[in-house]
Amino acid sequence: GESVGLHLPTLSVQEGDNSIINCAYSNSASDYFIWYKQESGKGPQFIIDIRSNMDKRQGQRVTVLLNKTVKHLSLQIAATQPGDSAVYFCAEGYYGNNRLAFGKGNQVVVIP
Amino acid sequence: DADVTQTPRNRITKTGKRIMLECSQTKGHDRMYWYRQDPGLGLRLIYYSFDVKDINKGEISDGYSVSRQAQAKFSLSLESAIPNQTALYFCATSDRDRGLDQPQHFGDGTRLSIL
Repeated sequence: GESVGLHLPTLSVQEGDNSIINCAYSNSASDYFIWYKQESGKGPQFIIDIRSNMDKRQGQRVTVLLNKTVKHLSLQIAATQPGDSAVYFCAEGYYGNNRLAFGKGNQVVVIP
Repeated sequence: DADVTQTPRNRITKTGKRIMLECSQTKGHDRMYWYRQDPGLGLRLIYYSFDVKDINKGEISDGYSVSRQAQAKFSLSLESAIPNQTALYFCATSDRDRGLDQPQHFGDGTRLSIL
């Protein structure tokens, strides 16, 4: 079946550095991608999304890049802060339809 | 996110017991979802509801049932709990804008342990 996965299970980042979290997707028909952040003891929190008609989208300190050629998605966090320590996971699906396939998650640890 | 409230936050129970997890929302969203999260498996959809009279199975609905009592309330039941249903359960809601689903908002989860 179709699946979404993350390359690295844990990413350790020095405070102030930029973080890059990667995600591979397998369904070439997916046209919508979304990143969530999950802090310990909390539910997933929406960060940013992107449609397949774009290859880059920026938010506050975050940028999502989409490479449809290699079916790769990444989340960049600028000037990583201790509050960015969390599990991040991507999801894919079809725009306007919340039947999303979620990835397994990638732990980000920010070192003060 | 206090707009989506799940109760209880933690529950420990025994095999064979009937369990109900509750979710209420103040966001006014029509769409509500139940997921389970297991280590290494990410979020998997159990059931979802697009309005009070609509219930749909997700990818792992066996062993679960749901009830949409009102727009703001969506409960998940385990009729006869088994140990492999031990997991973190999340409720989510979403709005719809111009015919398109908007990103989901999640509650803080219910940690369920079945002995």
